[in-house]
Amino acid sequence: SQKIEQNSEALNIQEGKTATLTCNYTNYSPAYLQWYRQDPGRGPVFLLLIRENEKEKRKERLKVTFDTTLKQSLFHITASQPADSATYLCALEGGTGFQKLVFGTGTRLLVSP
Amino acid sequence: DAGVIQSPRHEVTEMGQEVTLRCKPISGHDYLFWYRQTMMRGLELLIYFNNNVPIDDSGMPEDRFSAKMPNASFSTLKIQPSEPRDSAVYFCASRLGGEGSPLHFGNGTRLTVT
Repeated sequence: SQKIEQNSEALNIQEGKTATLTCNYTNYSPAYLQWYRQDPGRGPVFLLLIRENEKEKRKERLKVTFDTTLKQSLFHITASQPADSATYLCALEGGTGFQKLVFGTGTRLLVSP
Repeated sequence: DAGVIQSPRHEVTEMGQEVTLRCKPISGHDYLFWYRQTMMRGLELLIYFNNNVPIDDSGMPEDRFSAKMPNASFSTLKIQPSEPRDSAVYFCASRLGGEGSPLHFGNGTRLTVT
């Protein structure tokens, strides 16, 4: 069955460092991969989208890579700030059903001053 | 742009009661999704609509759940009768366009069934 895995343990880093979050998937061939940020008590907020034929995408301090051979996406936040503390979710679309965005369970990031 | 609006924000009800959750998508968006989020299972897609028509309801857990979209600016998710295991945060999201478009989420309804 299709599976999307994100590290369930929180990632703790110091302000100024680069945070790297991982999204692995199995039994899936997504055409699109998206990353969202979720703060407590709020809905997820879209950050970045990357297509299957793209290796890397950047937006300000954010960078996403997509390796369809490894079935993995990495999400980087450079020069991290305490305000970056949140849960980050990856979401896949394509394969068996377009229009259906399937989410991972998310990884909580804590950036300490 | 007011974003996706959900009501109520919190709902506490007793087992066996009917619960209705409401969603107003972003104006002009042609897709609407209902998700449920729990600690154990994360975000699960329940059902989605395209141009007010239900396209895929394979994620709806059982017949106790039903969803409607009578027009482009309103959708409901109903649970009847409710059970304690339905306790979760229910999110509505909308988007403009098909695959590859970002979802815009509301802030959810936290449902507690006692």
